[in-house]
Amino acid sequence: GAVVSQHPSRVICKSGTSVKIECRSLDFQATTMFWYRQFPKQSLMLMATSNEGSKATYEQGVEKDKFLINHASLTLSTLTVTSAHPEDSSFYICSARDLKQTKFFGSGTQLSVL
Amino acid sequence: QKEVEQNSGPLSVPEGAIASLNCTYSDRGSQSFFWYRQYSGKSPELIMSIYSNGDKEDGRFTAQLNKASQYVSLLIRDSQPSDSATYLCAIPPGAGGTSYGKLTFGQGTILTVHP
Repeated sequence: GAVVSQHPSRVICKSGTSVKIECRSLDFQATTMFWYRQFPKQSLMLMATSNEGSKATYEQGVEKDKFLINHASLTLSTLTVTSAHPEDSSFYICSARDLKQTKFFGSGTQLSVL
Repeated sequence: QKEVEQNSGPLSVPEGAIASLNCTYSDRGSQSFFWYRQYSGKSPELIMSIYSNGDKEDGRFTAQLNKASQYVSLLIRDSQPSDSATYLCAIPPGAGGTSYGKLTFGQGTILTVHP
């Protein structure tokens, strides 16, 4: 099946720094990728929809200036958490959709902000 | 009312039993329904999808959909300890949701299968 690679799998950073998370579709082209966030013992919450070559669409309550999304190619989307704070500590997961509309999830990134 | 609602559990069943997981949703226009399994610290993996009323079976898993009552369930037969995980119900928003890709997740049900 299709593979979505996400890295890093785990990152620890100091408060105030920026962290970039990459999501790559390895064997298919993904015109649309999705970024989710999951706090401990909670479900996945969609943060934004990333479309190749255009601006991302953010869900209500998600700060677009804090969570920068770039979808520069059909196989790569990046999420940058700017000026990270401890409350941004979470599990971030991307998903990508292939031409058959099947959705595949990346392996997730555990972000810990000290 | 939450858009997608599940009992958070935990649900504990003995090995070999049937585990029954339920999900209700609020959007009557929903057309497709997904069950994901998520192990601790891992991302979700799709185990079942269902689009029509009735039952859909795949190995030990059976998904049941009742659009009139707005619920979808997942049955796991012959439960194994390896089935212990969080099970997430996910539904795309609206009638045209299948092709868009956005998913609204329930809060998940923690299943524990004990030997």
